[in-house]
Amino acid sequence: DVKVTQSSRYLVKRTGEKVFLECVQDMDHENMFWYRQDPGLGLRLIYFSYDVKMKEKGDIPEGYSVSREKKERFSLILESASTNQTSMYLCASSSNPDSNTEAFFGQGTRLTVV
Amino acid sequence: LAKTTQPISMDSYEGQEVNITCSHNNIATNDYITWYQQFPSQGPRFIIQGYKTKVTNEVASLFIPADRKSSTLSLPRVSLSDTAVYYCLVVDYKLSFGAGTTVTVRA
Repeated sequence: DVKVTQSSRYLVKRTGEKVFLECVQDMDHENMFWYRQDPGLGLRLIYFSYDVKMKEKGDIPEGYSVSREKKERFSLILESASTNQTSMYLCASSSNPDSNTEAFFGQGTRLTVV
Repeated sequence: LAKTTQPISMDSYEGQEVNITCSHNNIATNDYITWYQQFPSQGPRFIIQGYKTKVTNEVASLFIPADRKSSTLSLPRVSLSDTAVYYCLVVDYKLSFGAGTTVTVRA
């Protein structure tokens, strides 16, 4: 069974902390994505990567960075967490950068910044 | 970058057919149309994808007219468990989702 695993289901951090959200996939996929989801706003793309050490900004990259040192792992970094970054974070992976393939999602990390 | 527009919400009753139409006026020649379903507290899951005409699987049907500027996801005989958010995507390199359509099925 294909799997995308996010390191934590729930996380509580303090304002100003550096936060790492980890995502691992076991499908040898080239592409990985980070989203945040907030009520009424759907999924918004933060960053994505189509190869090791490659990254591209999504629609809302401000306040975030990413790291992809190995093909199977894609990390989302909040350099200095703020309360407006309290959200559900979802990671996904897919095998093709273009069109007709399916993306697989992790279960999500609910981050609360206090 | 192709953008999609779909209704914010739809209500239905058990046993009815639900049709969700998505418009994507700027779709490119090589783009596919993909639909995802998301239940509360879960990540989205792929349900169907198509390029043109009609695609059917065990979950849904996808109708795409010749001009490909819109598509319609059809859910036959819905049940309470089909209550979810449905996302229409025109798949380019970014895999951008929108707000989706919240479908509520009532008994």
